[in-house]
Amino acid sequence: SYELTQPPSVSVSPGQTARITCSGDALPKQYAYWYQQKPGQAPVLVIYKDSERPSGIPERFSGSSSGTTVTLTISGVQAEDEADYYCQSADSSGTYHAVFGGGTQLTVL
Amino acid sequence: QVQLQESGPGLVKPSETLSLTCAVSGYSISSGYYWGWIRQPPGKGLEWIGSIYHSGSTYYNPSLKSRVTISVDTSKNQFSLKLSSVTAADTAVYYCARIEMATLYFDYWGQGTLVTVSS
Repeated sequence: SYELTQPPSVSVSPGQTARITCSGDALPKQYAYWYQQKPGQAPVLVIYKDSERPSGIPERFSGSSSGTTVTLTISGVQAEDEADYYCQSADSSGTYHAVFGGGTQLTVL
Repeated sequence: QVQLQESGPGLVKPSETLSLTCAVSGYSISSGYYWGWIRQPPGKGLEWIGSIYHSGSTYYNPSLKSRVTISVDTSKNQFSLKLSSVTAADTAVYYCARIEMATLYFDYWGQGTLVTVSS
């Protein structure tokens, strides 16, 4: 089955830049999406179509794509950004099957 | 404002069928989009369960396909999940969500409901 691979954890000091990667063989052909999940809450979409930001999401959140890897970048990290982040994509064109990465816990030191 | 609300039993016995409903407000299911279920075991990651279109077309996670049924009731503007032969491994928070059709991302989520499988 298709898998998306994320690092389990990333740590960064306030004000620095956090980068969370997600790798998958189909990512050159399928868009990636990123969700932020805080404890006890439902996930919230922070990036769609690799690099688009939904309304209401701070500009410090950005996304990029290169080959089989997509990256979520949080510039000027704030304490409130501490959360779990999940990438998501589709396994291949036409199957309508969604796949999530294993999630990355972002710790703000 | 699109809102989704899950409902159903919080406790299910092993080998029985888990049944949940997602009530949608602020948007008509018949107007489009896919609608789906995602679950999250305690302390673990997200797992897509399956999706449905208002026409009734369904798509299931291959790892759960033999036990899952998702249905839609457009008259009540809601959709439902049934997961049969549950075990403790099915204990999770279950979320319903709206899915953008062309690119398959989840733009609106319910708050989630914890379902525990235990005798």
